[in-house]
Amino acid sequence: SQTIHQWPATLVQPVGSPLSLECTVEGTSNPNLYWYRQAAGRGLQLLFYSVGIGQISSEVPQNLSASRPQDRQFILSSKKLLLSDSGFYLCAWSWTANQPQHFGDGTRLSIL
Amino acid sequence: GENVEQHPSTLSVQEGDSAVIKCTYSDSASNYFPWYKQELGKGPQLIIDIRSNVGEKKDQRIAVTLNKTAKHFSLHITETQPEDSAVYFCAASQASGTYKYIFGTGTRLKVLA
Repeated sequence: SQTIHQWPATLVQPVGSPLSLECTVEGTSNPNLYWYRQAAGRGLQLLFYSVGIGQISSEVPQNLSASRPQDRQFILSSKKLLLSDSGFYLCAWSWTANQPQHFGDGTRLSIL
Repeated sequence: GENVEQHPSTLSVQEGDSAVIKCTYSDSASNYFPWYKQELGKGPQLIIDIRSNVGEKKDQRIAVTLNKTAKHFSLHITETQPEDSAVYFCAASQASGTYKYIFGTGTRLKVLA
């Protein structure tokens, strides 16, 4: 069976510091991978998706970036965090486009 | 742009009663509609989904109906239990070739014992 792992579960960072959130998927190969942000009481906003190693598509302009150095590893980064980057970040995977997406348990990021 | 509206934002029901959550989508090309349940501090979990070639799908106490003409779909939970309390999200996915789900803003369901 397939599993998805995200870490850390919670993170508190000062404004201006860098960020690296990691997501890995087990039990599948060449999955589609996604990063979402969920603001409090809101729906999910797609930030990035990837259909293969080194292939990243950005949905919204921001100071975040994503990378996929390995087939089942997806990383969300920032060089300098802003207060507005606070939120709940979720990673997801799917077999292909228009297939069910399966989410990890997220990282709650607080910027001070 | 594409939009999914979800109602109500909060819903309280007595244990054993039914709960209905409704979503309306704007993109007529949407053809896949998943529903997710999110418990506090967790990621959303897929609970049921439906494709546009089907009008209704049922899985035990959960069912989803789709009206393509009206562009709306609904989640029905029967015989609700306290463990059904969570936030529920609907989503609509565009036709093949894209990767984007458009999510509704969520419904907080409380099942009162």
